[in-house]
Amino acid sequence: EIVLTQSPGTLSLSPGERATLSCRASQSLSRSYVAWYQQKPGQAPRLLIYGASNRATGIPDRFSGSGSGTDFTLTINMLEPEDFAVYYCQQYGSSPFTFGQGTRLEIK
Amino acid sequence: EVQLVESGGGLVQPGRSLRLSCAASGFILDDYAMHWVRQAPGKGLEWVSGISWNSGNIDYADSVKGRFTISRDNGKNSLYLQMNSLRAEDTALYYCAKDISFDSTYSFFDYWGQGTLVTVSS
Repeated sequence: EIVLTQSPGTLSLSPGERATLSCRASQSLSRSYVAWYQQKPGQAPRLLIYGASNRATGIPDRFSGSGSGTDFTLTINMLEPEDFAVYYCQQYGSSPFTFGQGTRLEIK
Repeated sequence: EVQLVESGGGLVQPGRSLRLSCAASGFILDDYAMHWVRQAPGKGLEWVSGISWNSGNIDYADSVKGRFTISRDNGKNSLYLQMNSLRAEDTALYYCAKDISFDSTYSFFDYWGQGTLVTVSS
């Protein structure tokens, strides 16, 4: 099973700043099969990024993903108030599909 | 508009069974693999099980293998999860999630339901 470790656990920033969230895999992920999701309290997760760097339909371009191998990053430029939430990475290169433990992005 | 509506959750004693359902609409269920993902209270996401479009490929997390059974009825636009021998650690919000592909070999999830809560307690 591939273990994903997200850092930091909590990130405190202000609107307008840039957020950089990390996801590290316990083994190299073939074809960069990493997705990122956003989850707000009381809501289901929402797909943001797939294939490490492809934005899902309707996702603003302030969200971007990058990385390969074992290290992946979600960057959110010019934070908006609605961006404060929990973010999860997921690997889908091998079963079982696993998620990171999440990064909480909170308003400073 | 894609909609996934889960049902069947509730309070159940350890060792008992429960069957979850997911009603799909707004897309052709036959064209996509489907999955169950759960989230324990205050915790992260855990993939539980996935099934390909024609039920030809089925997989489970080790934590539920041998106890849970995923199935689908494309004619009824429905996905199911039969959960047997339930344990306290199965307590979670269970989400139905749509795959982006018909196959479930490399899966991520573009639509999610709102979840149904399963509580396992005596």
